[in-house]
Amino acid sequence: GAVVSQHPSRVICKSGTSVKIECRSLDFQATTMFWYRQFPKQSLMLMATSNEGSKATYEQGVEKDKFLINHASLTLSTLTVTSAHPEDSSFYICSARDWAENYGYTFGSGTRLTVV
Amino acid sequence: DQQVKQNSPSLSVQEGRISILNCDYTNSMFDYFLWYKKYPAEGPTFLISISSIKDKNEDGRFTVFLNKSAKHLSLHIVPSQPGDSAVYFCAASLGLGGANNLFFGTGTRLTVIP
Repeated sequence: GAVVSQHPSRVICKSGTSVKIECRSLDFQATTMFWYRQFPKQSLMLMATSNEGSKATYEQGVEKDKFLINHASLTLSTLTVTSAHPEDSSFYICSARDWAENYGYTFGSGTRLTVV
Repeated sequence: DQQVKQNSPSLSVQEGRISILNCDYTNSMFDYFLWYKKYPAEGPTFLISISSIKDKNEDGRFTVFLNKSAKHLSLHIVPSQPGDSAVYFCAASLGLGGANNLFFGTGTRLTVIP
């Protein structure tokens, strides 16, 4: 089946620094990828939709200048958390759709970001 | 605005019995529904899905029921096994368009007691 690789799985960074999270579709091409964020004991909330070759579409309340998304190829989308603060600490998950699998949404394994 | 809701944050079931997880939604335009299983610090794993044109879909021990008039779906696991213990999320999607994302419920933590 479709596999989405997300890296790193865990990262600790200092306040004010930037962190890049990668999301790769390993055996299929994904024109659209989604970035979610999950706070403890809460639902997965969509942050943005990443479109290959074009600008990402951000959900209301998500700062596009803070959460930079780049989808430069059909197999890679990156989320960069810029000038991270402790309140950005969360679990970030990406998802991609494999058109070869009917309506298949495949998720990455997630990234636990801790900002100290 | 939470368009997909799971009102039971937790559920405990004895091994071998049936687990029933419930999900309600508010948007009548949702036409595809999915259930995911999730362990801490991991991404969700797809379990089973159902299109709005159906009212039931079965895959092994997992069955999903959809009641469109009530905007309600449920996941039945029978028989329940200790390995089923995890957080279960229901999700809904608007249409078959490629850019349509999933709307997730808040999750139900299932504990299967050996």
